[in-house]
Amino acid sequence: QQQVKQSPQSLIVQKGGISIINCAYENTAFDYFPWYQQFPGKGPALLIAIRPDVSEKKEGRFTISFNKSAKQFSLHIMDSQPGDSATYFCAANKGSSNTGKLIFGQGTTLQVKP
Amino acid sequence: NAGVMQNPRHLVRRRGQEARLRCSPMKGHSHVYWYRQLPEEGLKFMVYLQKENIIDESGMPKERFSAEFPKEGPSILRIQQVVRGDSAAYFCASSSWSGTEAFFGQGTRLTVV
Repeated sequence: QQQVKQSPQSLIVQKGGISIINCAYENTAFDYFPWYQQFPGKGPALLIAIRPDVSEKKEGRFTISFNKSAKQFSLHIMDSQPGDSATYFCAANKGSSNTGKLIFGQGTTLQVKP
Repeated sequence: NAGVMQNPRHLVRRRGQEARLRCSPMKGHSHVYWYRQLPEEGLKFMVYLQKENIIDESGMPKERFSAEFPKEGPSILRIQQVVRGDSAAYFCASSSWSGTEAFFGQGTRLTVV
């Protein structure tokens, strides 16, 4: 019930391509779904987040798609760049009460080839 | 405006020693969260603290681990009698109140030899 499952574990994309990372959850009480980007040796940094009242949120090249009925959400990185190479984590929480306590997915290591 | 500050960045301890990890939240933040990241894994929630109070410690191991966030000074995650399995990156995050985004520090990488 508390798990967030993330796939794929690793992803290689050519520069300019679209990177897609998927996550699935079980707990229907979750209502806050952020994505974090982590570079080696650094802490996670919030990239973009969505709440279930919308099906899509876009910020620059990053888009979250949310499917409430399927309990799935995904991150799309358009026009992927070598600088996007990092590990990406999806997360979920009952944001209305405690955004800081997050349940994280296992992570996806993205490599964008020049 | 300094971000979440964690120190030390790297910590080496021998088995059986104590490890103390410090976290200074962002200015104006009174909510602190600790997470542990094992190699090749995601972050696991450990504990949520407000000033002088432990709010949620559901992710803390039952023994050897403790956390505090005193009225003055940084939050401390304390691991007694460390074992090799404690080797991990420990991240602290802070938020201004529980309903807002939490910002992460750079982490402390603990190695137990």
